[in-house]
Amino acid sequence: QVQLQESGPGLVKPSETLSLSCTVSGGSISSYYWSWIRQPPGKGLEWIGYIYSSGATNYNPSLKSRVTISLDTSKNQFSLKLSSVTAADAAVYYCARDRYQHQLGAFDYWGQGTLVTVSS
Amino acid sequence: QSALTQPASVSGSPGQSITISCTGTSSDVGGYKYVSWYQQYPGKAPKLMIYEVNNRPSGVSNRFSGSKSANTASLTISGLQPEDEADYYCSSYTISTTVVFGGGTKLTVL
Repeated sequence: QVQLQESGPGLVKPSETLSLSCTVSGGSISSYYWSWIRQPPGKGLEWIGYIYSSGATNYNPSLKSRVTISLDTSKNQFSLKLSSVTAADAAVYYCARDRYQHQLGAFDYWGQGTLVTVSS
Repeated sequence: QSALTQPASVSGSPGQSITISCTGTSSDVGGYKYVSWYQQYPGKAPKLMIYEVNNRPSGVSNRFSGSKSANTASLTISGLQPEDEADYYCSSYTISTTVVFGGGTKLTVL
């Protein structure tokens, strides 16, 4: 059974960089799309971006200038960096795996989510 | 990319059927079969309920079904049960090889 677990600071100062990691257990990080998705308190889901096991990435156009997603296959982990954060970036951040091996479109495994607050 | 459009809320009585719509454009919902639906309880991660417009993952009740017509996808829940009360989100693959979510719909079982 594949399991995903987010980790990282729960508090980030404005203008600094948010950094989170997602550790995948129970399966290989190879041959799948791995995404980050966030949900501000009381609001809807927003897709942030993906990394494929080859290292290819794509990001939400609204966040593209501030987002980097990377992969560490040796640790079975992928990571998110979001720079220049503001209060609008406060959210529960989820990592998720797509059910397809070669197509993006349906997230069947999710982490439990981690709340990130932005405050000085 | 603009969020897909869903009604903010729907409601129904136990045993009834409800339908939640999800409207996009020809660049997302209308152009691809990769439309999914998720169920989310408060404080929990979303759960995949429908993928590829009308397919259910193993373990999802057959009371949940999906369809699509042009740029609008729909989720139908038949035989409503109290445990169906949750938030529901649609998503679609897009022409830009990204994913876009709907704004979410709160389902109330009266």
